[in-house]
Amino acid sequence: GAGVSQSPSNKVTEKGKDVELRCDPISGHTALYWYRQSLGQGLEFLIYFQGNSAPDKSGLPSDRFSAERTGGSVSTLTIQRTQQEDSAVYLCASSLGRGGGARTSGSTQETQYFGPGTRLLVL
Amino acid sequence: AQSVTQLGSHVSVSEGALVLLRCNYSSSVPPYLFWYVQYPNQGLQLLLKYTTGATLVKGINGFEAEFKKSETSFHLTKPSAHMSDAAEYFCAVRLNNAGNMLTFGGGTRLMVKP
Repeated sequence: GAGVSQSPSNKVTEKGKDVELRCDPISGHTALYWYRQSLGQGLEFLIYFQGNSAPDKSGLPSDRFSAERTGGSVSTLTIQRTQQEDSAVYLCASSLGRGGGARTSGSTQETQYFGPGTRLLVL
Repeated sequence: AQSVTQLGSHVSVSEGALVLLRCNYSSSVPPYLFWYVQYPNQGLQLLLKYTTGATLVKGINGFEAEFKKSETSFHLTKPSAHMSDAAEYFCAVRLNNAGNMLTFGGGTRLMVKP
């Protein structure tokens, strides 16, 4: 398919274990985002990648969370030493991203397309 | 700092009735504004967006929203609700001059009664 894909769709883990969540963005999209959706906190931004620039990590809740994006495409979100409060749906999104030059009015570059999410349950 | 407020975590309407989901934002500069819909166990799907230009924006499934700068609002409407509209709706903003992340409202669950 042409959309954003994420794997696994569901993950159950034990407290203290590490988990890796994968995101495959839409082909050609240079921007990739991770969000977390939890009952208590709603939808929160975690991290943003744009091309080869340094990622914006301002939303990561702790140093147990990290993400990388290899080759400008696939991204992996890693949570180390998982805690029960990490239980949530982790959503990935991608967009065309910024090209060189001025922002274009009404550009579709701004639209983020979301994957189906990974539902993480930490026991 | 920017924030998004969606009034009413749950809204119930009868099939065929008007749908009105409220969204207000706080931002020092005009943001980009989005409405997303989420069906059970699915990701977010874009309904419509406002970036620049015409303030009344039409989206998919008969939804539309109007950007009102003076009221800092971007309410979502649909003239006639359908059972298939039952879902959770999220309003989001993105500042157009710094950062690309979306800031979401708390969401509104729309229920449609037969």
